[in-house]
Amino acid sequence: KQEVTQIPAALSVPEGENLVLNCSFTDSAIYNLQWFRQDPGKGLTSLLLIQSSQREQTSGRLNASLDKSSGRSTLYIAASQPGDSATYLCAAENGGATNKLIFGTGTLLAVQP
Amino acid sequence: EAEVAQSPRYKITEKSQAVAFWCDPISGHATLYWYRQILGQGPELLVQFQDESVVDDSQLPKDRFSAERLKGVDSTLKIQPAELGDSAMYLCASSSPLMRNEQFFGPGTRLTVL
Repeated sequence: KQEVTQIPAALSVPEGENLVLNCSFTDSAIYNLQWFRQDPGKGLTSLLLIQSSQREQTSGRLNASLDKSSGRSTLYIAASQPGDSATYLCAAENGGATNKLIFGTGTLLAVQP
Repeated sequence: EAEVAQSPRYKITEKSQAVAFWCDPISGHATLYWYRQILGQGPELLVQFQDESVVDDSQLPKDRFSAERLKGVDSTLKIQPAELGDSAMYLCASSSPLMRNEQFFGPGTRLTVL
C-alpha cells in the first residue's frame, strides 16, 4: 500500500531564498508523481508532473526531481517570493486499473517579505 | 483556459439533511475523480469514473454516499443523510491519457454540517 510523507510540515523562509520541499513514498512502482499548490480554502493547482521514466521537470522557478530507487521526490523553488506562500502537496500515482493519487499531508510554506 | 467547474462553492447543512455537489470536467477528459479533503490532510479518493462507468469506489461510504456520471460528462456526488463527520472540502478532478493522466482539480465545495 502506497504511503506518501512530506517533511517538513511547515517552513518559513525570507524572501529571495532558495528552498527545497521533500516528499517520500513507500512503493517505488509509481507511474507518475505530481506536485500541487493549494491556497487557503481553494482547490489544487497542478505545478509539475514527473513520469516514472523521467528524473526531473522544470517550470519557471520550479524544479521537481524524482528518485524511484530511494522513494523520494523534491520540489526546488528558486528565489522565493511572498506570492509563493501556500501549501504544497505531492501525490503518487501507481497506475494499474485506477489512476488515483495518494497524497501527502503537505508542507505549509510562508515566505516572509 | 479549460478548467474543472464545481458548484456550489460553499454548502452549510444540518445533519440528516441531503446534499448534492456538481462537477463539470475539462472538455474531452474521460476520467473524472471525486476526492475528499479533511482540514490539515491530503485529499483522498472517493470515486473514479471512466466515461460513465465506476472504476474505483472502494473508499466511498456507500450507505450514505452516491455518485453518478450518467452521460459520461458531468457528475453529481450526493450525501444522504449528512453527518457531522462529513464536513470537509469535496474536490473534483479530471484527466486524459493524452495528457499523461495529469489530474486537474476544480475549486472544490466546502461542506459544513451543523
